[in-house]
Amino acid sequence: EAGVAQSPRYKIIEKRQSVAFWCNPISGHATLYWYQQILGQGPKLLIQFQNNGVVDDSQLPKDRFSAERLKGVDSTLKIQPAKLEDSAVYLCASSGLAGGPRDTQYFGPGTRLTVL
Amino acid sequence: AQKITQTQPGMFVQEKEAVTLDCTYDTSDPSYGLFWYKQPSSGEMIFLIYQGSYDQQNATEGRYSLNFQKARKSANLVISASQLGDSAMYFCAMREGLENAGNMLTFGGGTRLMVKP
Repeated sequence: EAGVAQSPRYKIIEKRQSVAFWCNPISGHATLYWYQQILGQGPKLLIQFQNNGVVDDSQLPKDRFSAERLKGVDSTLKIQPAKLEDSAVYLCASSGLAGGPRDTQYFGPGTRLTVL
Repeated sequence: AQKITQTQPGMFVQEKEAVTLDCTYDTSDPSYGLFWYKQPSSGEMIFLIYQGSYDQQNATEGRYSLNFQKARKSANLVISASQLGDSAMYFCAMREGLENAGNMLTFGGGTRLMVKP
């Protein structure tokens, strides 16, 4: 079974530029998550989708970050305009259940973003 | 307040020995799940083991076991017979609530494990 796919793996941009990340979840997984992991810290949830609907985006900086999951499969996360503090690894995860304590999330390899 | 606390920023262990990575958590929800993930230098988060709050027995998965002490709110990961490939960051995480799709996974700050040959 293929895992969670993400691209690109690395991205370097200058501040105020825009960037987009792509995620393809495990086949059949209805729930998709985007996390931000700053160096030396644990991942922090940015947004959670259930199929193509947003379940939780309370920690998404909506003035510059946006995400969509058209057709309930692939997802894109966009940052516009980027700031220096956005430098981090952006992890995508998916899970097959609709939440709850036993809902195990499986992660992709991440996209390492550097903002100069 | 921190929901997940990992007090060991870094740990060394000799190859073939066992090691315990600490995790304490804070929740008032009676239903929750605890997860451990491994993150090697490549960056991918690899799921290791799960413990449910209502599980009667400690979880085990191969060389990984979870020392779950509910009253103390701790869920320590035990790795037996350490291997060089175990060198990585290890994260403890918690998910609260029953069948509620809005509950997020909250991570601790991680512990870096280094296995010495």
